[in-house]
Amino acid sequence: SAVISQKPSRDICQRGTSLTIQCQVDSQVTMMFWYRQQPGQSLTLIATANQGSEATYESGFVIDKFPISRPNLTFSTLTVSNMSPEDSSIYLCSGIGTGAYEQYFGPGTRLTVT
Amino acid sequence: QKEVEQDPGPLSVPEGAIVSLNCTYSNSAFQYFMWYRQYSRKGPELLMYTYSSGNKEDGRFTAQVDKSSKYISLFIRDSQPSDSATYLCAMSQSNTGKLIFGQGTTLQVKP
Repeated sequence: SAVISQKPSRDICQRGTSLTIQCQVDSQVTMMFWYRQQPGQSLTLIATANQGSEATYESGFVIDKFPISRPNLTFSTLTVSNMSPEDSSIYLCSGIGTGAYEQYFGPGTRLTVT
Repeated sequence: QKEVEQDPGPLSVPEGAIVSLNCTYSNSAFQYFMWYRQYSRKGPELLMYTYSSGNKEDGRFTAQVDKSSKYISLFIRDSQPSDSATYLCAMSQSNTGKLIFGQGTTLQVKP
């Protein structure tokens, strides 16, 4: 299994600012993803982080709002841009190891926008 | 209609009980099925995964998939207070990783 860490674990941000969340995996993974978990809700996929190229976004999520980078096989960042209170959520990254389909999750970043 | 339906509970059982958690789904293309456990303020932890139909057992946990009925289950035997958590079912059409999650069922096991 892959061990996934995220930084920061939580943050409180002001409306209109941006926050970049980092995700580090302890071993190479073939695929990395970013999910959002709004209060009391389940997880929704934001995008697939592609190594060295633009991320693939799901319906309802756009690059200008959630720019994603993945410079190598074990690291990715998600930026939440121009934040509003509606962006208050837990943001989680996940990864799938080589030759497998089990998807493992990081501990999440709890974001509160005031 | 959501692609994956899961009763949010809460479900409260006494210690030692057998717990049954279930999800139904509408997309017949789903082939990969997973159960995650999520403790409060933690990320989801992968418990069980199965491909296509059938049963899979791991210790006190058994996962069942019935594709003909579009119904999956997770059974927990001899439940413990430490099993108290939210249990999320998730599924995907392929091994490319896009998971569709159920809402999650909150389970409380009382000593």
